[in-house]
Amino acid sequence: RKEVEQDPGPFNVPEGATVAFNCTYSNSASQSFFWYRQDCRKEPKLLMSVYSSGNEDGRFTAQLNRASQYISLLIRDSKLSDSATYLCVVNVDYKLSFGAGTTVTVRA
Amino acid sequence: GAGVSQSPSNKVTEKGKDVELRCDPISGHTALYWYRQSLGQGLEFLIYFQGNSAPDKSGLPSDRFSAERTGGSVSTLTIQRTQQEDSAVYLCASREGDYGYTFGSGTRLTVV
Repeated sequence: RKEVEQDPGPFNVPEGATVAFNCTYSNSASQSFFWYRQDCRKEPKLLMSVYSSGNEDGRFTAQLNRASQYISLLIRDSKLSDSATYLCVVNVDYKLSFGAGTTVTVRA
Repeated sequence: GAGVSQSPSNKVTEKGKDVELRCDPISGHTALYWYRQSLGQGLEFLIYFQGNSAPDKSGLPSDRFSAERTGGSVSTLTIQRTQQEDSAVYLCASREGDYGYTFGSGTRLTVV
């Protein structure tokens, strides 16, 4: 079983729509959690950390459910520039495990 | 520098040759990671350096892969006798504290 699993998508949504997706992780000792964004042929860039109480950053909301070992990301009022692959990242003892990514395409 | 710098950005090599990939982390970052990403795949952990501690080499796929970090700063990933399955983007990241792993733009390695 992979350490971090994500629905690969793609999620094709119109501008202004809300899109949400999850990832699950297998190691209950995971200590911290992140969402990274990766554009085509570019390096991953930190989008946001994920805290136990849930957190927002503008149009982005992240949730963590430790009991069920899943993390979610919700994007409100999607913009064309949100089109990217979103990587779920889990940290165990300072070693990051990456999901394979969820592809989101926002269309005009 | 302001970010993590990797060189070369692209490398094409013949099967069987050795290659060296370089990573210059953010100044002062004590942790340095190497990952690789094959086409359409997720990131695969290779090796982790933390300060003066022994590196975590658990992700290196074979003994053809090695890495070193000199003076707690620049790191070099060496692949000996390259094979076609080594073709991937090799990404370096550095970190200070618990927040914000910053990635370099990667080296795209193609073995022909």
